[in-house]
Formats: sequence, structure tokens, C-alpha cells
Amino acid sequence: RKEVEQDPGPFNVPEGATVAFNCTYSNSASQSFFWYRQDCRKEPKLLMSVYSSGNEDGRFTAQLNRASQYISLLIRDSKLSDSATYLCVVKAASKLTFGTGTRLQVTL
Amino acid sequence: DTAVSQTPKYLVTQMGNDKSIKCEQNLGHDTMYWYKQDSKKFLKIMFSYNNKELIINETVPNRFSPKSPDKAHLNLHINSLELGDSAVYFCASSQVSLDFSSGNTIYFGEGSWLTVV
Repeated sequence: RKEVEQDPGPFNVPEGATVAFNCTYSNSASQSFFWYRQDCRKEPKLLMSVYSSGNEDGRFTAQLNRASQYISLLIRDSKLSDSATYLCVVKAASKLTFGTGTRLQVTL
Repeated sequence: DTAVSQTPKYLVTQMGNDKSIKCEQNLGHDTMYWYKQDSKKFLKIMFSYNNKELIINETVPNRFSPKSPDKAHLNLHINSLELGDSAVYFCASSQVSLDFSSGNTIYFGEGSWLTVV
């Protein structure tokens, strides 16, 4: 089992739609969780951290379920500019492990 | 101003050659990293340095040798390049070594696209 698993997609959604991505992790001792965004041929950039109680940043909501070892990212009112690959990132044993990402394509 | 800069951005070279990728960060961070992203988009850490000291060395062939002359620079030298080395190599830095709590984050350079032919 991979340390961090994501559905690679692509998720093709129309503008204005709500879309959700899930990510599962295998190490129950994982301590911190993040979502990064990577545009085509660009570097990954932090989108948001994921806190135990769940957190929201504008149109983006992140949730953590430690019991089931998964995290989620919800994007409301999708914009064309949200088109990118979303990387789930988990910290365990002082190391960051990246998922392979879920590709989102928002269309008109 | 680019926070983490790496050069060259694109590199095409023949098998067997030796090449270097340079990285510099102007964020005042203590820790720098090299990551490799392969054709399947899998981003994996190779090395991490904290204040010029090697702290993470994943299972990477000996042909890869990082060098950190000071905490703002971390270069990657690759000997005897092989076809399988073709990938995007990202340099990164963070303020506190391996502590990503409290919003502390890792900043990536723009990547160096290496193609071995």
C-alpha cells in the first residue's frame, strides 16, 4: 500500500460546481497534513494546512479523519483558475510524503 | 524576487555525462531539500540539509552528491547520468528543520527539467 494515495483523476467539472478530493494515508503516526497545488510545469505551492477540527479558507474546505486515515479537500464554486493538480501531503517521522496528486480541470 | 531559485531550468544531456544543478534561497531558511518528480508525477525527497549538515539521505544512488557551501545554497551534482535520471528536480527550503506545524511550510524552486538522451 502506498504511503499516500490519491485518485489521479482527471476530474472534469463545469465552472461553479463543487468538487471534492480524498486522500488516504497508511501511517497512523502521521502528524501533520497539507494540501498543495501544482500547476502544469510549475512547482508545488502550499494551498492549505489541514487541522484536526477541519478548516476553511474561502472556497476551500479541508477535513481530517484520523480514525479512517483520510483527508479531504472540498472546492466550492469552482473557477477556471482552479484547474491544477492537487497534492495531498502528510508528515510522519519528520518527513513529508507527497501523494501523486489529483488533477482538476474546470471548464466553461 | 525569487525566493528559491535553481539553475538551469532545462538541461538536455547525454548518458554518461556529469552535470550539476544549483540552488539558492534568499528566505533566510535553515533547511534545504532536493526532491525528484518522475514522469508519473511522484514527488520524492532525495536529500535534506540543515545549516549545511546532511540530515536526510534517502535511498539515492551514489552518483548523486549534494553539496551545501552555506545554508543559503544547496547544489546537486550527478555523475554518469543514466536515462532513468530524466525527471524534474525541485529544490526547496523551510524555516525550521522538519517542523511543518503552525503554518510553517516548504517553498519550492521552479524546478530543473533534466532529460538524459
